[in-house]
Amino acid sequence: DVKVTQSSRYLVKRTGEKVFLECVQDMDHENMFWYRQDPGLGLRLIYFSYDVKMKEKGDIPEGYSVSREKKERFSLILESASTSQTSMYLCASSDARDGRSYTEAFFGQGTRLTVV
Amino acid sequence: QKEVEQNSGPLSVPEGAIASLNCTYSDRGSQSFFWYRQYSGKSPELIMSIYSNGDKEDGRFTAQLNKASQYVSLLIRDSQPSDSATYLCALAGDAGKSTFGDGTTLTVKP
Repeated sequence: DVKVTQSSRYLVKRTGEKVFLECVQDMDHENMFWYRQDPGLGLRLIYFSYDVKMKEKGDIPEGYSVSREKKERFSLILESASTSQTSMYLCASSDARDGRSYTEAFFGQGTRLTVV
Repeated sequence: QKEVEQNSGPLSVPEGAIASLNCTYSDRGSQSFFWYRQYSGKSPELIMSIYSNGDKEDGRFTAQLNKASQYVSLLIRDSQPSDSATYLCALAGDAGKSTFGDGTTLTVKP
């Protein structure tokens, strides 16, 4: 059974804190993604990575950074958390072997982050 | 214009009815199309994928793709209360990046 695991289900952080969200996948997928989901705004891509140490900005990268030191792990970092970053954060991975780039995403369970 | 547009919803159908969810997209080069189901407070899970024009059936679910008209739809036959969820239409592009619609919330009333 494929699995994408996010380190926390719920987090409460204070404004200005540095926040780390961790994601691990056990499917040996090349691609990993971080999305945030807000009511009325749908799923928005923050960053994605198609290989170790490689990253590309998505649609809303401001205020975030990422790290991918190992293939199975993709971390999202909020450098200085703000209340506007209160949201549901979803990690996902997808398979790109053998040129199969157009494949479905597998999601983690999500992290509900509240910044106070 | 958004890249992926879905019925604004919410959609309500009685138990046993057919629920029809629609999605249009703007990129004519899109190759892969997916439907995800998302229960409240949970993450999206894939329920159907479709790559070729026509219909694809899986149990009570049928995905329909028409690339000439740039739409993809999902039919749920014999709808059950457990089908009540938000359904997300998605297109996969380069490097596996998916573009998602905003979702249509379906309620199946017993």
